[in-house]
Amino acid sequence: AQSVTQLGSHVSVSEGALVLLRCNYSSSVPPYLFWYVQYPNQGLQLLLKYTTGATLVKGINGFEAEFKKSETSFHLTKPSAHMSDAAEYFCAVSDTGGFKTIFGAGTRLFVKA
Amino acid sequence: DAGVTQSPTHLIKTRGQQVTLRCSPKSGHDTVSWYQQALGQGPQFIFQYYEEEERQRGNFPDRFSGHQFPNYSSELNVNALLLGDSALYLCASSLRGPNEQFFGPGTRLTVL
Repeated sequence: AQSVTQLGSHVSVSEGALVLLRCNYSSSVPPYLFWYVQYPNQGLQLLLKYTTGATLVKGINGFEAEFKKSETSFHLTKPSAHMSDAAEYFCAVSDTGGFKTIFGAGTRLFVKA
Repeated sequence: DAGVTQSPTHLIKTRGQQVTLRCSPKSGHDTVSWYQQALGQGPQFIFQYYEEEERQRGNFPDRFSGHQFPNYSSELNVNALLLGDSALYLCASSLRGPNEQFFGPGTRLTVL
């Protein structure tokens, strides 16, 4: 069975500071990993995904994530936070067939001026 | 391209009633997945449809059923509504396989 754990339901950073959102996964098969962002009263939007190949994945809006198999982690980072980054972020894992995607509980990012 | 659309946007029902939610996938997509997102939680996978058949199902009771039509649009039906069914219901479409899912804005269901 697959599962996702996001460490920290709330993260607060100052504008311009590093953003680090943590995600650990469990999967019995090579996972496909995703980060999605959700703004208030909206659906989810894909930030980035890891399927195979390069373990450092770059996404939209300056975000990136690194797949570390030995640590079963897929943490999301951004060098410099903007006010517009304030949102809910979800890490997700999918089986290789893409039949079922499991989401974490989410981390709400607050950005202070 | 209108992206993924869902209807209605909001719905209020009473316990025991039945509800049908609708989803039109992004143009060119053939796979539709449904999720339930309770307040303050991540989306929970309900089921996925491809080629008009349910391909995978999450841990939801049989009260939750669905359908996919030849034009790839989909419906989610929930019977015998419970208070705990109150949530945002998200539809996501994709191409077959572990591809990016495009989400609709959701239908907010309130059960009184």
